[in-house]
Amino acid sequence: EAGVAQSPRYKIIEKRQSVAFWCNPISGHATLYWYQQILGQGPKLLIQFQNNGVVDDSQLPKDRFSAERLKGVDSTLKIQPAKLEDSAVYLCASSSSRGGGPNEQFFGPGTRLTVL
Amino acid sequence: AQSVTQLDSQVPVFEEAPVELRCNYSSSVSVYLFWYVQYPNQGLQLLLKYLSGSTLVKGINGFEAEFNKSQTSFHLRKPSVHISDTAEYFCAVRGSARQLTFGSGTQLTVLP
Repeated sequence: EAGVAQSPRYKIIEKRQSVAFWCNPISGHATLYWYQQILGQGPKLLIQFQNNGVVDDSQLPKDRFSAERLKGVDSTLKIQPAKLEDSAVYLCASSSSRGGGPNEQFFGPGTRLTVL
Repeated sequence: AQSVTQLDSQVPVFEEAPVELRCNYSSSVSVYLFWYVQYPNQGLQLLLKYLSGSTLVKGINGFEAEFNKSQTSFHLRKPSVHISDTAEYFCAVRGSARQLTFGSGTQLTVLP
């Protein structure tokens, strides 16, 4: 089966610009996650969706970050305006349950964002 | 709240030597534990997971890990490493919040 797809793979922008990332999860996976991975650190959860509803966005900087998952499939993560500290790899993952069971999260290749 | 500490940020080891990557966690509730591997410019891939039962867990690529509840540890081991094992390894814990909390990672470099 196809894995989690993300685009673009790389993005370079200047601070105060806007950027959007796209994720297509594994077919049939109801749960979708966005993580931020800063260089030298482990991934940090930004937001978790169950179908098209938000389960947890407690660590999402809502003044500049937004995410949506229309129709419970694809998802878009947006940053507006970007700051230097937003430079990171943004990982998308999906799993087949809402997390009640210990189901594996499958990760996409990530989008590497550089903010100049 | 839960947290994960990976004690070594970098581990160099010669090919065919054994390796242990250390992971300690803290949590006030029962947890599930995971090890993921990340190759350059790729996403994370699950190596193994502890859910319950036997404390010795076997994963892919010859890796295994032992859950030690009294020491709150979940160290990853491989008896003989290959060049292709060079990658970053992340320990993660999932508690009652149903979210994964990752450690800061250990870069394993296998030398010829």
